[in-house]
Amino acid sequence: AQSVTQLGSHVSVSEGALVLLRCNYSSSVPPYLFWYVQYPNQGLQLLLKYTSAATLVKGINGFEAEFKKSETSFHLTKPSAHMSDAAEYFCAVTANTGNQFYFGTGTSLTVIP
Amino acid sequence: DTGVSQDPRHKITKRGQNVTFRCDPISEHNRLYWYRQTLGQGPEFLTYFQNEAQLEKSRLLSDRFSAERPKGSFSTLEIQRTEQGDSAMYLCASSLTSGLDEQYFGPGTRLTVT
Repeated sequence: AQSVTQLGSHVSVSEGALVLLRCNYSSSVPPYLFWYVQYPNQGLQLLLKYTSAATLVKGINGFEAEFKKSETSFHLTKPSAHMSDAAEYFCAVTANTGNQFYFGTGTSLTVIP
Repeated sequence: DTGVSQDPRHKITKRGQNVTFRCDPISEHNRLYWYRQTLGQGPEFLTYFQNEAQLEKSRLLSDRFSAERPKGSFSTLEIQRTEQGDSAMYLCASSLTSGLDEQYFGPGTRLTVT
């Protein structure tokens, strides 16, 4: 069985500050992990994914995430928040078959000017 | 390519009625997924197709839910005898070939059951 937990349903940061969105996973098999972003009134869009290559994954818009097996974590970071980063962020996990996906409950990011 | 499209965007129905939603994936994409998303939750995986074959359907919510992709292109999701608890956003996504390819999501169909 697989699941993800996103700690913090709402995160607020000041413009220019570090963004840290937390995701912990549970998986009985080696996981593949994803971060998706949903801007208001838009569909979900892939930010980045981990598929067992490099543990530090770089994505679009300056975001990156690090897979830490010992901590079962895949936290999303961005060094400097921009107003356009305000959105809902979802972490997701699947097994190597990619046959089922499990999404977290999401974290709403607010960027304060 | 205009991306994944879903029709209708909104559907209001009375309890007990049947509803059908359509999803048109990106044209060269072989995989197609259906999800349900309720307020304050992440997408909940329902089923997926590889071309016309439905390879995973154990997580369809009940036997009132069914999906088809008859020619490996568009797909339909049907809910029979709708209940108020079925009110949600129904999302469709497609990807190129494998489950590890990026999924492109459509805008969703919002269902309201009165």
